[in-house]
Amino acid sequence: QQQVKQSPQSLIVQKGGISIINCAYENTAFDYFPWYQQFPGKGPALLIAIRPDVSEKKEGRFTISFNKSAKQFSLHIMDSQPGDSATYFCAAADQTGANNLFFGTGTRLTVIP
Amino acid sequence: KAGVTQTPRYLIKTRGQQVTLSCSPISGHRSVSWYQQTPGQGLQFLFEYFSETQRNKGNFPGRFSGRQFSNSRSEMNVSTLELGDSALYLCASSPRSGRLTNEQFFGPGTRLTVL
Repeated sequence: QQQVKQSPQSLIVQKGGISIINCAYENTAFDYFPWYQQFPGKGPALLIAIRPDVSEKKEGRFTISFNKSAKQFSLHIMDSQPGDSATYFCAAADQTGANNLFFGTGTRLTVIP
Repeated sequence: KAGVTQTPRYLIKTRGQQVTLSCSPISGHRSVSWYQQTPGQGLQFLFEYFSETQRNKGNFPGRFSGRQFSNSRSEMNVSTLELGDSALYLCASSPRSGRLTNEQFFGPGTRLTVL
């Protein structure tokens, strides 16, 4: 059973456009929601993370929007660049403090010049 | 600060063999988690070690085991390898394991191929 559902599976965006990736979860015990970026042949790199006490967090061109009532969160990449082309994973973890991340299935982003 | 290092980077084994993978966390980090990444199942949590103790375990058979040393370095072992064990094995280190879930930083992974 997939604890975190991610969409779309793939995304093609023009350079300078906005990339939007969505995730949904069911477990209300989740209280930590990170996003990871992975390039081929590399491990996932932490991009940005949010906790449920805020509805939005921005770091540079990357923004997480969080909707606690809908149990959804999304990643927005503003001014997308070809160098952003990678696979993006959302994840969630619960309040037990365990470092056990439940990952979404990933979104392959391609930014075309 | 050096990142998470994993050795070896690539490994080829045959069915029935066993394998040991190694992970050195970021200096000062005491928690090490292991994940398996496959095209079909995605990223799945294997187990977490903190202060040489297994704190949590994912839904994997007993053939998958691990340990952590006093210097926080960790090893995972897979016995009686199966074709389905072919995957990228990722190690992630975190500053601590406590009530607040902490940021995890991943290494480059070990690509295991089972023939």
